[in-house]
Amino acid sequence: QVQLVESGGGVVQPGRSLRLSCAASGFTFSSYGMHWVRQAPGKGLEWVAVISFDGSHEYYADSVKGRFSISRDSSRNTLFLQMNSLRPDDTAVYYCAKEVGDWYFDLWGRGTLVTVSS
Amino acid sequence: ETVMTQSPASLSVSPGERATLSCRASESVNSNLAWYQQRPGQAPRLLIYGASSRATGVPARFSGSGSGTEFTLTISSLQSEDFAVYYCQQYIDWPPITFGQGTRLEIK
Repeated sequence: QVQLVESGGGVVQPGRSLRLSCAASGFTFSSYGMHWVRQAPGKGLEWVAVISFDGSHEYYADSVKGRFSISRDSSRNTLFLQMNSLRPDDTAVYYCAKEVGDWYFDLWGRGTLVTVSS
Repeated sequence: ETVMTQSPASLSVSPGERATLSCRASESVNSNLAWYQQRPGQAPRLLIYGASSRATGVPARFSGSGSGTEFTLTISSLQSEDFAVYYCQQYIDWPPITFGQGTRLEIK
């Protein structure tokens, strides 16, 4: 079954860290760039980060640059997002998404909720 | 950064009627434009890519048009499952890729 399943969300205090995972199945994970996109409660979609199919390139939104780090383990078909120095405005549902080659997305996970609050 | 602006913010349409949603880019994105549907509590779903190509499994009542800076998503004969939020996204000018703020399609 072709799917992405995120995990690792939860409630965390400002300034702390959290690591999200996204398990991929049903497609050749190592052939595709992978992205994280987030959605704050009641708001629209915001692109967060991308990692190339082979892990050699990474790009980040300015809002998370220097705090978040994207990585992948193709031996485990898993995408990660390490989030450090979390702020209340990082509160959102975080989706992992598979790109098609161009940077649009034909497969999304169901998302994992991250709440940053004291 | 290319800013995407969708209009209207919300739209009320009766089932069976046609809905027309607009998306404008702050600079040309050629045809590098995708549309997504997001139902409540669900992840986004790809509807249209390349401004006018339907994704796999998307019903023919969904159509996209436009190029450059002006784009339209048309849903002919609205079904109950079509009432959702729709987002456009450009993918020519990256990083970052950018989304519109969304159009909420509501039942009239």
